[in-house]
Amino acid sequence: GNSVTQMEGPVTLSEEAFLTINCTYTATGYPSLFWYVQYPGEGLQLLLKATKADDKGSNKGFEATYRKETTSFHLEKGSVQVSDSAVYFCALRENTGFQKLVFGTGTRLLVSP
Amino acid sequence: EAGVTQFPSHSVIEKGQTVTLRCDPISGHDNLYWYRRVMGKEIKFLLHFVKESKQDESGMPNNRFLAERTGGTYSTLKVQPAELEDSGVYFCASSLEGGSGNTIYFGEGSWLTVV
Repeated sequence: GNSVTQMEGPVTLSEEAFLTINCTYTATGYPSLFWYVQYPGEGLQLLLKATKADDKGSNKGFEATYRKETTSFHLEKGSVQVSDSAVYFCALRENTGFQKLVFGTGTRLLVSP
Repeated sequence: EAGVTQFPSHSVIEKGQTVTLRCDPISGHDNLYWYRRVMGKEIKFLLHFVKESKQDESGMPNNRFLAERTGGTYSTLKVQPAELEDSGVYFCASSLEGGSGNTIYFGEGSWLTVV
C-alpha cells in the first residue's frame, strides 16, 4: 500500500542554520504531497503542498519540490528560527479510491538561539 | 471563519470507561475525517464521512470505536470500553471536496489518556 517515510528525529539546529527534513513516499498512482506542522500545544496546520511532479510548494520560508523520479518531497528552509521548533509531518493523498491522507511518523525540530 | 473545533481538548479516563469526542467541521465542508496518533507514532486514518455517510471506515481499529455524523454536521467518536492502548491524540479534519489536491484542515486534537 501507500506509505511515507521520514527521517528520524529530533533534528537539533542552531538559529539561522539550514534545514532539510527528508521525506520519501511509495504510491501506486500520482498522489498529492503535503507537509503539515504541529507547534507545541497546537493542532496540525498545513505548511505547504504540491499536487504534481516538479511542483514546488512554499510557505513561511519553507520549500519542498515534488520529485517523481526519486519519489521524494524533502522539506528545506534556508535559515531556521527558534519559532520553527515543532513536529513536521510529511503526507500523501491518494488520487484514486477514497483519497485519504497517509502520514509519515513526524520529525521533531528543535532550534536553539 | 471558524476552523475545525474539537471537544474535549483533554480527557483522562479509567480503563473500561466510555469517552465521546466531538468534532465540528468547517461550515459547509461535506468531508469529515478522523485520525489518531498513538504513542508518538504516525498519524493514522480512522474513517471518512461524506455528509452523514461513512465513505471509508477501513482504519477503525475494532468495534469498541463508533463514529457518527447525524445530519451531516458535527461528528462524534465514541470509545467504549476504553483500553490503555487507546491513549493518544484524536484529530478531526474536514475538507470542502474530496479531490486529492484539496486541502484537509485539521482541528487541534483531543488528547485522550486512559489509565
